[in-house]
Amino acid sequence: QVLLVESGGGLVKPGGSLRLSCAASGFIFSDYYMSWIRQAPGKGLEWISYISSGGSYTGYADSVKGRFTISRDNGEGSLYLQMNSLRPEDTAVYYCARDTSSGWYFDYWGQGTLVTASS
Amino acid sequence: QSALTQPASVSGSPGQSITVSCTGTSSDVGSYDPVSWYQQHPGKAPKLVIFEVNKRPSGVSNRFSGSKSGNTASLTISGLQAEDEADYYCCSYAGSGSRVFGGGTKVTVL
Repeated sequence: QVLLVESGGGLVKPGGSLRLSCAASGFIFSDYYMSWIRQAPGKGLEWISYISSGGSYTGYADSVKGRFTISRDNGEGSLYLQMNSLRPEDTAVYYCARDTSSGWYFDYWGQGTLVTASS
Repeated sequence: QSALTQPASVSGSPGQSITVSCTGTSSDVGSYDPVSWYQQHPGKAPKLVIFEVNKRPSGVSNRFSGSKSGNTASLTISGLQAEDEADYYCCSYAGSGSRVFGGGTKVTVL
């Protein structure tokens, strides 16, 4: 079955950096687009980034553009999110999700990893 | 990339039908068919319940249906059940691979 497991969350001071990972299994990882979506405490969902199946194309929400970088390793079946210049408003649960370029929806989600940017 | 507009809450009695609206603009909902809906129970990851406006993934009850007219998409839950009590989010394609979510609607079963 499809399984997505995020890791790498934690407490970081504003201005600091963190790298999230998402380990994928149960499907051919290199066939699918992938996305990161976050949810601030008590708030709604916010799409923040996608990457194409081969890694050639990426996109970012304005809120993270220039600070976050999405990448993937198809050989390892892993998705990454490098987060720099973190701000208190980046505090959220970060989900990785399997994406589809045909219908642009997220059909499988991980359980999420909490990132807290606070001094 | 402004969030799509959803009502904060919708409620209904068991067995009733409810509809959750999702209003966007001509730059997202009004221009693209890829509208999807997600159900989220407290403390859990979201789950896809509708994609491409009105398609249901395998395993999702046929009590869930979707539609779209102009800049507004809608999710209808018929035969409301206690297990349907959750937060629901719409999501639209917004061009160049970007997506935009709605603010979320809390569905309460009375």
